[in-house]
Amino acid sequence: DAGVIQSPRHEVTEMGQEVTLRCKPISGHDYLFWYRQTMMRGLELLIYFNNNVPIDDSGMPEDRFSAKMPNASFSTLKIQPSEPRDSAVYFCASRSDRGGKNEQFFGPGTRLTVL
Amino acid sequence: AQSVAQPEDQVNVAEGNPLTVKCTYSVSGNPYLFWYVQYPNRGLQFLLKYITGDNLVKGSYGFEAEFNKSQTSFHLKKPSALVSDSALYFCAVINNFNKFYFGSGTKLNVKP
Repeated sequence: DAGVIQSPRHEVTEMGQEVTLRCKPISGHDYLFWYRQTMMRGLELLIYFNNNVPIDDSGMPEDRFSAKMPNASFSTLKIQPSEPRDSAVYFCASRSDRGGKNEQFFGPGTRLTVL
Repeated sequence: AQSVAQPEDQVNVAEGNPLTVKCTYSVSGNPYLFWYVQYPNRGLQFLLKYITGDNLVKGSYGFEAEFNKSQTSFHLKKPSALVSDSALYFCAVINNFNKFYFGSGTKLNVKP
């Protein structure tokens, strides 16, 4: 398996622009998580899905952030409009709950820089 | 509420010496505990987990962790550190709703 795939790996954009981050989870995994990592705040859970349905979006910082999972193999995290304080590394992770409480598998991350 | 605490921002150890990275947890119910490692510019990688059973859990790269219920701890250990073990280490707990709570991370520096 190729693991969790994220694209792009790096994104540089200007303030006010729309940014879309993409994630392909591991096939067969029924949970998908979006995290944000910064030096100041560490690793923050933004939102997670179970069977394509958003379960907990309490970590989404504000209305400028939205996430979708139209099918089991694809999810997007969108920021519109983007701001410099959104600069961070965004990770997607997936896991399967079959067989018990299982670990999450993380993608390589997307490093976002908003100028 | 579920949470984990990693009291040390950084741990320094000489190569060949044993290392310990500390983690304490707070959960309602049975704890499901995990350790992850993050190398520079990489995503987090799973090291080991405790779900039930033996309190000493062995994981990848020679790491192990000891679950201590009375002290609510799950410290990560390795008998002999390598320079290549230098990385950021995260402890995590999962709640009944399958939501992970990660600690703030501990930077491990192993010096030759």
